[in-house]
Amino acid sequence: SQQGEEDPQALSIQEGENATMNCSYKTSINNLQWYRQNSGRGLVHLILIRSNEREKHSGRLRVTLDTSKKSSSLLITASRAADTASYFCATDAQNMFSGGYNKLIFGAGTRLAVHP
Amino acid sequence: EAGVAQSPRYKIIEKRQSVAFWCNPISGHATLYWYQQILGQGPKLLIQFQNNGVVDDSQLPKDRFSAERLKGVDSTLKIQPAKLEDSAVYLCASSLGRLSTEAFFGQGTRLTVV
Repeated sequence: SQQGEEDPQALSIQEGENATMNCSYKTSINNLQWYRQNSGRGLVHLILIRSNEREKHSGRLRVTLDTSKKSSSLLITASRAADTASYFCATDAQNMFSGGYNKLIFGAGTRLAVHP
Repeated sequence: EAGVAQSPRYKIIEKRQSVAFWCNPISGHATLYWYQQILGQGPKLLIQFQNNGVVDDSQLPKDRFSAERLKGVDSTLKIQPAKLEDSAVYLCASSLGRLSTEAFFGQGTRLTVV
């Protein structure tokens, strides 16, 4: 079953605008990761935020994590047409079926369209 | 650094036929994942290996799906017999494991069952 739920499911904006995507999850996590997927391609890791961190930046990306609300947000500033893709949050949590190994569970994703 | 290699890229089979997918992870990566991604959905974890041992196959339909990771390197995922609902992209990913869970993905194999 999916661990994370992204919101919104789809987002359409103009170049230069900011895009915000949210992710909610259900269980305790070690870290939360964001990935991007261009149409027909594999996923690419964007950023990782640990459970003891509240905010992290990487270039035009800003991620926040609120473990009390079990939620995270990804902000892309000054968006470009090349940012058009699907964005997924993935929770890294203790794998209850194995001896201490973590597993990576993905949400349903947000489809972002950035128009020139 | 070479990425995760998967083959084939595309496969079309008839229902009840069998199919196999191959994955070569990044050298040195202990953890290997197989995910199934149905169109419009997020990747669903099918099976996770740590070296050559299975650590999670709770969502693998074991009556028709099987997977192995020989010598803790390459992996194959097999479906026998295939059903229409198996049409999806099958993604292989690898990570260092305990040291880092950042996953590196292959391009995937798009399976169409007709």
